[in-house]
Amino acid sequence: GAVVSQHPSRVICKSGTSVKIECRSLDFQATTMFWYRQFPKQSLMLMATSNEGSKATYEQGVEKDKFLINHASLTLSTLTVTSAHPEDSSFYICSAREETGIRGYTFGSGTRLTVV
Amino acid sequence: AQSVSQHNHHVILSEAASLELGCNYSYGGTVNLFWYVQYPGQHLQLLLKYFSGDPLVKGIKGFEAEFIKSKFSFNLRKPSVQWSDTAEYFCAVNEGSSNTGKLIFGQGTTLQVKP
Repeated sequence: GAVVSQHPSRVICKSGTSVKIECRSLDFQATTMFWYRQFPKQSLMLMATSNEGSKATYEQGVEKDKFLINHASLTLSTLTVTSAHPEDSSFYICSAREETGIRGYTFGSGTRLTVV
Repeated sequence: AQSVSQHNHHVILSEAASLELGCNYSYGGTVNLFWYVQYPGQHLQLLLKYFSGDPLVKGIKGFEAEFIKSKFSFNLRKPSVQWSDTAEYFCAVNEGSSNTGKLIFGQGTTLQVKP
């Protein structure tokens, strides 16, 4: 079945530094990937839609300069949290939608970011 | 804007009890509906989905859901739960006519099954 690999699974960084999270579709091409943020005991909040070869579409209230998204190929999207602060600590999850849409959405295993 | 509401935030059941988790959405057009499960420490997995056709959808692990268009609902059911069903359950919706493809999730329901 469709597999999405997300890396790293956990990262701890210092305030003010940047962190890059990778999301790869391993056995299918994904023209569209999605980035979510999940707070403890809460639902997944869509942050942005990542489109291969074009700019990401951000949801209302999400700072595009803080959460940089790059979707350089049909199998890779990256989310960079720039100048991280403790309030950015969260669980970030990516999702990839297979090109034909038949397989639906496949989710990565998530990245636990802790900013100290 | 589209929204998804899950009424039960935390459900505690004994093994063999029947389960029904509510999900309502607010969108008047064509929708695709999903139920996902997140076991402790694991990633989201698809339980079942509805795109069109028979409104009663059967998924994995004995789960099923019924799409009732008039009620804007897509409730998840299982006749007899097991301890291994302890997990977080999310209902999600995307607009069927939209090519943006973004999923909107409900708040989630924590299911705890007591052995």
